[in-house]
Order: sequence, then C-alpha cells, then structure tokens
Amino acid sequence: EAQVTQNPRYLITVTGKKLTVTCSQNMNHEYMSWYRQDPGLGLRQIYYSMNVEVTDKGDVPEGYKVSRKEKRNFPLILESPSPNQTSLYFCASSQGETQYFGPGTRLLVL
Amino acid sequence: GDSVTQMEGPVTLSEEAFLTINCTYTATGYPSLFWYVQYPGEGLQLLLKATKADDKGSNKGFEATYRKETTSFHLEKGSVQVSDSAVYFCALSGPNYGQNFVFGPGTRLSVLP
Repeated sequence: EAQVTQNPRYLITVTGKKLTVTCSQNMNHEYMSWYRQDPGLGLRQIYYSMNVEVTDKGDVPEGYKVSRKEKRNFPLILESPSPNQTSLYFCASSQGETQYFGPGTRLLVL
Repeated sequence: GDSVTQMEGPVTLSEEAFLTINCTYTATGYPSLFWYVQYPGEGLQLLLKATKADDKGSNKGFEATYRKETTSFHLEKGSVQVSDSAVYFCALSGPNYGQNFVFGPGTRLSVLP
C-alpha cells in the first residue's frame, strides 16, 4: 500500500531534550516536506527536500533541522525543543503537484 | 509572497444543505489550486485540484472552478452529509516543480443530522 508513515504518533518531552520524528514514504517520490499545524494558522511549511541531499527552508524553519540521506526517509530533528514547538506535525511526499500526507505526530513540549 | 485566504468558520449545516466555502489566493504566475480535507484524527487527503484557469475540479460531489479573473477557487457541494464533517484546506502550488505549497487556515465544517 502506498503510504507515508511517521513515528512516533504522539510524543511528550521536556524543554531542551533532543528528539527526532521519522518520516518514510514507499512511493519513490523525490519531493518531501514537513509542516506544522496550529489552530487558526493552518499548515505552515518547515522544510522541504527536492531530492536526496537537497533541502531548503520553508516558512518556519527556526528550531528545526532535517536531513535527506535516502530518498524514502526525511527525518525532522529538534535539537533543543521549546514549548512553542508544541504542535501537530505532518510529513508529506509528492511526485508532481499532488502531496500525500502522513497521519501526523502530535508533540507536546513541557 | 503567495498566500491563500479562506473563510475560517466553523460552518455548521444541516444534512442535505448546500455548501460553499470561499477561497481566494494571491500568487505570482499561474499556480495550481487544491482542496484538501482532514477528517478527525487523520492526515490531509487531496479532495480535488485544478491546474489552469477555468478548470473545474470535482470529486465525491464536491466541485471547485479555477477563476483567474477573481483569483478564487470556491468549494461547493449541493447536498452535504454527516460524513462530510471535516476541516477543509484550500492550497496552491507554484508553477515550478518543487515550489513551496501554501495552505489556507482551514475551514471546519460540521454537518448535523
């Protein structure tokens, strides 16, 4: 089944404790992206990647890192999480214009 | 930069009512336009899209027409069902492959039986 998977689905952590949210797609898509969803703000793009080893900042990249060492994986790294990064995070992949979204990761930073 | 504006809602309708969710955009060039739907507890799913002016996207009884002259892409459905209760997002992507996608804030729709 073609899909985008994210792990973990739920995460509670404390300020400053590094964490990684994994994202994997099995559709051989070149383009992958991370978004955060906050009430009243919709989805805002954090980072995107057009192919392996090619990444670029989206609208809200501060406090986040990404890497794209393999085509299928696009992890999101929070080196020192802060409470303002509490949010719902979505990974997406696409080949062309249509994006396919993962189920989301709900993160709470205390 | 590019942006998408849509009515924020929430929108509450009775079953079988007519639905319109307004969406307007600002973009350079000629973007592709999308409606995505998010059911409770799930990720976003593509509902429909249109890639050029006057195109009409349709799916599951929903329709939207790409209006370049009014920079709009309003979502409509003639008769909503309880199962249509969800959050609807209007979005655009630029003409170049890999260009950032821009989403509107989302409109929550609740359909009452």
